[in-house]
Amino acid sequence: DVKVTQSSRYLVKRTGEKVFLECVQDMDHENMFWYRQDPGLGLRLIYFSYDVKMKEKGDIPEGYSVSREKKERFSLILESASTNQTSMYLCASDPWGDYSNQPQHFGDGTRLSIL
Amino acid sequence: AQKITQTQPGMFVQEKEAVTLDCTYDTSDPSYGLFWYKQPSSGEMIFLIYQGSYDQQNATEGRYSLNFQKARKSANLVISASQLGDSAMYFCAMRETMKTSYDKVIFGPGTSLSVIP
Repeated sequence: DVKVTQSSRYLVKRTGEKVFLECVQDMDHENMFWYRQDPGLGLRLIYFSYDVKMKEKGDIPEGYSVSREKKERFSLILESASTNQTSMYLCASDPWGDYSNQPQHFGDGTRLSIL
Repeated sequence: AQKITQTQPGMFVQEKEAVTLDCTYDTSDPSYGLFWYKQPSSGEMIFLIYQGSYDQQNATEGRYSLNFQKARKSANLVISASQLGDSAMYFCAMRETMKTSYDKVIFGPGTSLSVIP
């Protein structure tokens, strides 16, 4: 079965800390994504990557960066965590190419609290 | 710009009854796909059903069906014979298939469904 694994289900950090959220997929997908989910706002795209070392900004990239050194791994980095980054973070992947009818595959999410 | 609207923040349905979750979308692209996902309280996003803009028939997957009205730009999810396990957040999403760059997926704000015994 396909699998997207996020390193933590729950995470508590302090303001100003550098925070790393890790995501690994075992489906050999080219595309990987980081979303932020807040009540009433749905999922908003932070960054995505379509290949190793390639990245594109999504709709809300401010305060975040990403790293993709290996195809299966995509990391989200909060450079200096702030309380307004308290949220649910979801990682997803899908294949490159004419797969527009294919759904994205999601991890279980990380509930991040910044104190 | 793309936009997905789900006008029902929360809904209740009696167990074993059918329920319709609304979704309207806005796009100028003739080629697109519509998805519905379920998110239980545990947090994982579960894909339910897909409808392509050129599909002639409404999509169905078990107890889930999609009432696709292209002219109205609506893609409502119908759940038949509701079960207690259907209590969850439901998200409507759209992907335009322009193929000029990566086809971003846009999500609606979600509808919280509660099934009452």
